[in-house]
Amino acid sequence: GAVVSQHPSWVICKSGTSVKIECRSLDFQATTMFWYRQFPKQSLMLMATSNEGSKATYEQGVEKDKFLINHASLTLSTLTVTSAHPEDSSFYICSARLVQETQYFGPGTRLLVL
Amino acid sequence: SQKIEQNSEALNIQEGKTATLTCNYTNYSPAYLQWYRQDPGRGPVFLLLIRENEKEKRKERLKVTFDTTLKQSLFHITASQPADSATYLCALDEEGGANNLFFGTGTRLTVIP
Repeated sequence: GAVVSQHPSWVICKSGTSVKIECRSLDFQATTMFWYRQFPKQSLMLMATSNEGSKATYEQGVEKDKFLINHASLTLSTLTVTSAHPEDSSFYICSARLVQETQYFGPGTRLLVL
Repeated sequence: SQKIEQNSEALNIQEGKTATLTCNYTNYSPAYLQWYRQDPGRGPVFLLLIRENEKEKRKERLKVTFDTTLKQSLFHITASQPADSATYLCALDEEGGANNLFFGTGTRLTVIP
């Protein structure tokens, strides 16, 4: 089946630093990847849609200068949380679309900003 | 405003019984609806997709119904097992959208041995 990996699985950083999270589709090429954020006991909230070779499309309320997305190849998208603050602590999950409707999700990255 | 509501935040059932989870939506016109399973600290795993012109879909012990008039989907797990314990999320797209998914808040199912 379609496998999506994320790295790192968890990260702890100091306030003000930047953190990069990688999302890879391991056995298929994904022209579109998605980034979600999930706070405890809440559902997934779409942050942005990442298209290979073009600029990401951000959802309303998500700061594009704070959450930098790069989709440089058909198997890799990165999310960089710049100048992270404690309120950015969350569970970040990526997904990749294989066929038109179905998304395959990565295992998630837990970010804790101290 | 747009909403996707899963009516029970938590549901406990006895092993062997059928679990029924509900997903209701407001101010969406989805072309399809999906159900995912999420275990703690993990990403969601795709289970089933049902299109707007389908009334029912089955996969092994899982059954999904989709009523576009009621704006509701029901998700059934028959002969439930403790291993089915997880959070189940419904997700749908938006008509005319870019196949982006919008998720409900989830129902945490616990199957008691």
